[in-house]
Amino acid sequence: AQTVTQSQPEMSVQEAETVTLSCTYDTSENNYYLFWYKQPPSRQMILVIRQEAYKQQNATENRFSVNFQKAAKSFSLKISDSQLGDTAMYFCAFMKEQIRGSQGNLIFGKGTKLSVKP
Amino acid sequence: DAGVIQSPRHEVTEMGQEVTLRCKPISGHNSLFWYRQTMMRGLELLIYFNNNVPIDDSGMPEDRFSAKMPNASFSTLKIQPSEPRDSAVYFCASSGGGVRNEQYFGPGTRLTVT
Repeated sequence: AQTVTQSQPEMSVQEAETVTLSCTYDTSENNYYLFWYKQPPSRQMILVIRQEAYKQQNATENRFSVNFQKAAKSFSLKISDSQLGDTAMYFCAFMKEQIRGSQGNLIFGKGTKLSVKP
Repeated sequence: DAGVIQSPRHEVTEMGQEVTLRCKPISGHNSLFWYRQTMMRGLELLIYFNNNVPIDDSGMPEDRFSAKMPNASFSTLKIQPSEPRDSAVYFCASSGGGVRNEQYFGPGTRLTVT
């Protein structure tokens, strides 16, 4: 079975600074997908960034980037130029590769509560 | 695109009552997921459907929980009878498949069972 671990229950960062959230996972699969979701106080789950395991290049979405280390089974999220609106719970999630045309479920970590301070 | 729609947004009910949560996935998506979020257990999958067919219901806590997807645009999650430990936020998510494998979440239903 796959597991996802987020070892930082809470973190804080000053506005405009950079912060890195950690995530490790355990799997015997070779092909899979990794995601970071953001959940602000509104409780809406928002996809931040995704990474395919077969891609060596780290994914980037504007101020958000990942450091994907497949051998170490590590998938950290870096937020640059932090903004007050980044305050939220951040969840790391894993999905096995599925047969073409079908979908699989997400396995989530417990989350990291990020506070951006002015 | 309206996104995934869930109703109701909030539900308060008494123990023993039947509760029905509803979900309308994004049009064209062929997979639908029900997740539950609690402080103790975090986000966990209850059940998911591909092309209206239940694929994995191993996360459904017990026989009091049931889910249906009668067509591609509607799904229900029913709890009968409800218990206080069912209090949680229930999310519905849908996915269109393809190489991106991204799931889009609804706003969730906060259920409180007293």
